[in-house]
Amino acid sequence: GQQVMQIPQYQHVQEGEDFTTYCNSSTTLSNIQWYKQRPGGHPVFLIQLVKSGEVKKQKRLTFQFGEAKKNSSLHITATQTTDVGTYFCAAYNTDKLIFGTGTRLQVFP
Amino acid sequence: NAGVTQTPKFRVLKTGQSMTLLCAQDMNHEYMYWYRQDPGMGLRLIHYSVGEGTTAKGEVPDGYNVSRLKKQNFLLGLESAAPSQTSVYFCASSYWGRVRSYEQYFGPGTRLTVT
Repeated sequence: GQQVMQIPQYQHVQEGEDFTTYCNSSTTLSNIQWYKQRPGGHPVFLIQLVKSGEVKKQKRLTFQFGEAKKNSSLHITATQTTDVGTYFCAAYNTDKLIFGTGTRLQVFP
Repeated sequence: NAGVTQTPKFRVLKTGQSMTLLCAQDMNHEYMYWYRQDPGMGLRLIHYSVGEGTTAKGEVPDGYNVSRLKKQNFLLGLESAAPSQTSVYFCASSYWGRVRSYEQYFGPGTRLTVT
């Protein structure tokens, strides 16, 4: 079945450093979604990318969808302690949303 | 709007006991989902429903049953709890679209421990 892999599994950064997580699929995706889960919290939707090569920005967050629609990335510029959490990519397989393994971000002040 | 709510928030069961987790949404969403999340792991789909009266199996359905008698409610049942079912359970809901996919809205989760 469809699998969505994320790297890295963990990332520790100093506040102010940049952070990037990558999401890869063996199959072409119709779209990709990104979610953030704070420690002890529930996943919260961030964004959806649909078009090949699409780039979207939300303040310090930049999301990209690969040209072949098989990979995606989330880049955070100048991390802050409020960015702490686990970031998941997810892609639909018919009616089911398949979640990536997640990247856990820790930010040291 | 309350969004997606889950009851209970916490529960401790003994092996072999049964329980039902309730999920309710007030957004008129067609689709509802049950996930489990184990420590340090991602979300795994247990069962889902594409509308009132329908249910379907996800990735890890064994040991669980579900029912969707009303559009706004999705129940997850454990008939005979096992320690392997210790986890955090999340319910989610979303709209359905023929031409586009929609984001999922998650409930706060139920932390279940089976001893």
